[in-house]
Amino acid sequence: DVKVTQSSRYLVKRTGEKVFLECVQDMDHENMFWYRQDPGLGLRLIYFSYDVKMKEKGDIPEGYSVSREKKERFSLILESASTNQTSMYLCASSLLGTRYGTDTQYFGPGTRLTVL
Amino acid sequence: AQSVTQPDIHITVSEGASLELRCNYSYGATPYLFWYVQSPGQGLQLLLKYFSGDTLVQGIKGFEAEFKRSQSSFNLRKPSVHWSDAAEYFCAVVGMRFGAGTRLTVKP
Repeated sequence: DVKVTQSSRYLVKRTGEKVFLECVQDMDHENMFWYRQDPGLGLRLIYFSYDVKMKEKGDIPEGYSVSREKKERFSLILESASTNQTSMYLCASSLLGTRYGTDTQYFGPGTRLTVL
Repeated sequence: AQSVTQPDIHITVSEGASLELRCNYSYGATPYLFWYVQSPGQGLQLLLKYFSGDTLVQGIKGFEAEFKRSQSSFNLRKPSVHWSDAAEYFCAVVGMRFGAGTRLTVKP
């Protein structure tokens, strides 16, 4: 089974802090994704990566950056956390390295981030 | 640009009743369509997907979905709902564009 793990299930941070969310997949998948999930809005894509050190902006990249130094690890960075970034963050991976998201995604359990 | 609409925010059905969850999409070409389920406290899991071929797709847990190009729809169905089906369901197009989700409540 594919396993996607996220470093924390719950996280509480202060406004202005730098926040790192880590995601690791163990199935040698090419693509990795970061979404945020908000009630009534569903999942919105923040960034994705189709190869090591390659990244593309999703629909809502403002206020976020990402890093993919190794194939299995994809980090989401909030440079200066704000209260409107309080949300559930979901990481996913998929086997194929495409830029179009045509492959099945495997999701981690999510990190619920609260910014005070 | 592609988009997905799930018109029903919340649906309640009785256990044993049939279920249909609606999904409408906007996409210029033949779409890749997905249904995912999110159980409480968990990540999303794929139920089924459509790429091409037979427009009636079978998935896990007894779910099926039908692609109708003329209606730009990909509705999810199950003939008899079980209490364990209570969850949130998401439709997605081309994998990265998700709908807002439909929360399913199952009454005993």
